[in-house]
Amino acid sequence: DVKVTQSSRYLVKRTGEKVFLECVQDMDHENMFWYRQDPGLGLRLIYFSYDVKMKEKGDIPEGYSVSREKKERFSLILESASTNQTSMYLCASSSPPITEAFFGQGTRLTVV
Amino acid sequence: GIQVEQSPPDLILQEGANSTLRCNFSDSVNNLQWFHQNPWGQLINLFYIPSGTKQNGRLSATTVATERYSLLYISSSQTTDSGVYFCAVHRSSNTGKLIFGQGTTLQVKP
Repeated sequence: DVKVTQSSRYLVKRTGEKVFLECVQDMDHENMFWYRQDPGLGLRLIYFSYDVKMKEKGDIPEGYSVSREKKERFSLILESASTNQTSMYLCASSSPPITEAFFGQGTRLTVV
Repeated sequence: GIQVEQSPPDLILQEGANSTLRCNFSDSVNNLQWFHQNPWGQLINLFYIPSGTKQNGRLSATTVATERYSLLYISSSQTTDSGVYFCAVHRSSNTGKLIFGQGTTLQVKP
């Protein structure tokens, strides 16, 4: 089975902290993604990576950065967390040509 | 950009009933997925269905790409089917980037 694992199910951080959300996949997928989910706004793409060290901005990249040093791991970084980044964060992976996306269990981040 | 619309937004069923969820999309897409979001927030893959019909137990899905819609059928619903169902379309080939609909919230009552 495809497995995408996010490092934390729940996180509480303080405003201004640097926050790392980690995601690991075990299927040797080229593509990895970070989405956030908010009531009324749905799921939106933050960043996308199609190879090691390669990244592409999604629809809402402001306030975030990413790192992909190894193929299986994709990190989302909040350089200085703010309360408006309180959200559910979902990591996904896929691989061409099929590109079916598989998601991790999600991380509920609360910034206080 | 591509718009994805799901209907109905909310649905309440008695256990044992059947239902049909619809997903309309505004432009040609390379592929389409259906997900079920469980109470803990995880998105569970139901179908990866660019066209045609697929079945998995009590669930089936049909995509008519030329008419830009997909349908998810749930038969003999159970309380464990409750949750949010999302349709998502792939923006372009080989990337897997998804555009999600707003979801259908299903509640199955015992």
